Amino acid sequence: DAMVIQNPRYQVTQFGKPVTLSCSQTLNHNVMYWYQQKSSQAPKLLFHYYDKDFNNEADTPDNFQSRRPNTSFCFLDIRSPGLGDAAMYLCATSLIAGETQYFGPGTRLLVL
Amino acid sequence: SQQGEEDPQALSIQEGENATMNCSYKTSINNLQWYRQNSGRGLVHLILIRSNEREKHSGRLRVTLDTSKKSSSLLITASRAADTASYFCATETNFGNEKLTFGTGTRLTIIP
Repeated sequence: DAMVIQNPRYQVTQFGKPVTLSCSQTLNHNVMYWYQQKSSQAPKLLFHYYDKDFNNEADTPDNFQSRRPNTSFCFLDIRSPGLGDAAMYLCATSLIAGETQYFGPGTRLLVL
Repeated sequence: SQQGEEDPQALSIQEGENATMNCSYKTSINNLQWYRQNSGRGLVHLILIRSNEREKHSGRLRVTLDTSKKSSSLLITASRAADTASYFCATETNFGNEKLTFGTGTRLTIIP
């Protein structure tokens, strides 16, 4: 089945230790998104790619970076995680920007 | 920001009853979407309604859109225990910025 896959499902890291979260898709969608979601809050868009074009949200901290080496994969790098970065990180794709998004199961990040 | 606000924040009903949740937004939109999120999981797309549409149905779901009031409602009929989840509305503005802005969500609990 076509889907969006996120690895790992749970990630524990230490304060200040770089971490990378990965997302892959078999939907062949043009657009990929990364969201941060804290407990009982709405998902907050960090950035998105339209093909190779990178679009950063104005309020996304510099600590967060992203890479999309090909259509199928997208990575979220947190260079120096702080305690406030503990959250669920959701990857999503869409065929047409602004239309239906397909989400992965998320990666829950814990920062010690 | 264009964030939607949902009402109520939490709703508990008996199984078999209908559940209605509302979403209000601030600026003109291209479309409005509803998503469901089970605890600790990714979001699942339910319905997309475009700005020129007033009502859409999908199974037990009915969505209405009133662009004059900048509001939408999601009705779930004959609720089931499996409908227990958080429900989010998301809007795409008509500025063609390729992204969705999510509302604050309604936590729905179905009591067996």
